[in-house]
Amino acid sequence: SAVISQKPSRDICQRGTSLTIQCQVDSQVTMMFWYRQQPGQSLTLIATANQGSEATYESGFVIDKFPISRPNLTFSTLTVSNMSPEDSSIYLCSVEGSTKSETQYFGPGTRLLVL
Amino acid sequence: AQSVTQPDIHITVSEGASLELRCNYSYGATPYLFWYVQSPGQGLQLLLKYFSGDTLVQGIKGFEAEFKRSQSSFNLRKPSVHWSDAAEYFCAVGANQAGTALIFGKGTTLSVSS
Repeated sequence: SAVISQKPSRDICQRGTSLTIQCQVDSQVTMMFWYRQQPGQSLTLIATANQGSEATYESGFVIDKFPISRPNLTFSTLTVSNMSPEDSSIYLCSVEGSTKSETQYFGPGTRLLVL
Repeated sequence: AQSVTQPDIHITVSEGASLELRCNYSYGATPYLFWYVQSPGQGLQLLLKYFSGDTLVQGIKGFEAEFKRSQSSFNLRKPSVHWSDAAEYFCAVGANQAGTALIFGKGTTLSVSS
């Protein structure tokens, strides 16, 4: 199984500012995913990030608001730009498992509160 | 469009009693199905998964789930609940053939009473 860490684990930010969330994996993976979990809600996929290509965004999410970097096979960042209180959520990164298991592993999440 | 429905928002079960959490899915092809658990302040942990083969799947912590194609269901069961099972449970379906990007249900909160 993959071990995933995220930084920061939580943050409180002012509206209009931006926050970059880091996701580090202990093994090389091709596909990484970013999800958002709004308070009391389920997880919604923001985008899929493959190393060496532009991230693919789901409907309702745009690159200007959530730019993603994927510089190598073990690391990715998600930036939440020009934040508003509606961006208060838990942001989770996940990675695909091995081809054989095809299981997705999740990081511990970043709890963001925007005031 | 693919979707996952968890009809029960909140369930309370007595410790030692059996548990069944319902999950229905809508998917145009063979689904890749998952159950995850999220404890307060914790990340998501995979309980079990179904890709193919035996429709009764065993997972960790004594959980099992049964895939019923005719009912488009993937219900999670446990014969005897422990207080430590209190958590949020999410059913998910693979959004593509590789079973990687996931669509989640809204979750069911499980409370365990003594």
